[in-house]
Amino acid sequence: DAGITQSPRHKVTETGTPVTLRCHQTENHRYMYWYRQDPGHGLRLIHYSYGVKDTDKGEVSDGYSVSRSKTEDFLLTLESATSSQTSVYFCAIKPGPQLSLDTQYFGPGTRLTVL
Amino acid sequence: KQEVTQIPAALSVPEGENLVLNCSFTDSAIYNLQWFRQDPGKGLTSLLLIQSSQREQTSGRLNASLDKSSGRSTLYIAASQPGDSATYLCAVTGNTGNQFYFGTGTSLTVIP
Repeated sequence: DAGITQSPRHKVTETGTPVTLRCHQTENHRYMYWYRQDPGHGLRLIHYSYGVKDTDKGEVSDGYSVSRSKTEDFLLTLESATSSQTSVYFCAIKPGPQLSLDTQYFGPGTRLTVL
Repeated sequence: KQEVTQIPAALSVPEGENLVLNCSFTDSAIYNLQWFRQDPGKGLTSLLLIQSSQREQTSGRLNASLDKSSGRSTLYIAASQPGDSATYLCAVTGNTGNQFYFGTGTSLTVIP
């Protein structure tokens, strides 16, 4: 699992509440990613980070923000959760820097339900 | 925008059969293509990575091919086993190397 943990693993929350998901890695890899997985859509990239305080948007970034103040932690925040954000969220890391040779290693996922 | 399609969405085969999973993508300007396995309720595990300059990669009973010009990849599984039952996803890496585009997966069931 390349030393990737996600917390919490399951969360149920109500519409309008803020939610923060945490991804923690033990290998000091440069690149970290947040995806959501929904039936019929596969995995879609939300945000990614290429270093401390360096982040960029992915395909479905609206309604999400991220922060990376330490190499090992990448936080995903839903400022005001909506039912459309009910999903399974996966964190991934990429060792880098050889783009053509790198793969991604995934965490176990967080199942988020917004009521 | 890169679109990745996997056909079929689901496949059921008897144990011992050889099978092929298909992946197609719309933009041939990719850095690499990867095949992943996902077990129910779990994260993804990388199976094979093919660089854009390569034609195929092999690992045990798995063989993945890449035809970048036609936007296609196949994953060949030889002598399937019940333990191969899982969802298989392909993903292509875009031009920047930081955008990964996933297909929706093929759910494979191998019947003992």
